[in-house]
Amino acid sequence: DQQVKQNSPSLSVQEGRISILNCDYTNSMFDYFLWYKKYPAEGPTFLISISSIKDKNEDGRFTVFLNKSAKHLSLHIVPSQPGDSAVYFCAAAISSGSARQLTFGSGTQLTVLP
Amino acid sequence: KAGVTQTPRYLIKTRGQQVTLSCSPISGHRSVSWYQQTPGQGLQFLFEYFSETQRNKGNFPGRFSGRQFSNSRSEMNVSTLELGDSALYLCASSLFAGLDEQFFGPGTRLTVL
Repeated sequence: DQQVKQNSPSLSVQEGRISILNCDYTNSMFDYFLWYKKYPAEGPTFLISISSIKDKNEDGRFTVFLNKSAKHLSLHIVPSQPGDSAVYFCAAAISSGSARQLTFGSGTQLTVLP
Repeated sequence: KAGVTQTPRYLIKTRGQQVTLSCSPISGHRSVSWYQQTPGQGLQFLFEYFSETQRNKGNFPGRFSGRQFSNSRSEMNVSTLELGDSALYLCASSLFAGLDEQFFGPGTRLTVL
């Protein structure tokens, strides 16, 4: 039973346009969410995070939106660039307590076409 | 500052064998987490170590074990390998345990024949 789901395995977007990557979760205890980007032959790199006390967090071209009632988060990349082509993973965690366990989605392959 | 290093990068084993993977965290980082990545399953959490103690464990059988040394380097062991253990094994380090930003290594690609 996947607690974090990325239902789109792939997404293609034209350079300069907006990329929107979606993620749904089922565990209402999750209160901290992260996005990672992964290039082939490299480990994932942290992109942006959001706590459940916020509904939006922005960092340059990257914005994450959180809709707690729908248990949905999305990552917006504006404008999209060819170098953004990678696999994007969303992850969720329960921030209380001393142990950290990130639950990841299965990833979305983003291709930005020049 | 050197990143997270994992050795070996590629490994081929046969069913029933055992394997040990190694992870050296970023200098000064004390927390190491291990993940298994398989196609369609994303990254699945194996365990986390902090100051040589296992702090959290994912839902994997006892064949998967790990340890952390006093210099924060970590090893992961899988015994009695099965075909389904073929995956990319990633380790990530962070300064402390908790929700600190994790820095991932490039992974070890394990193929079980």
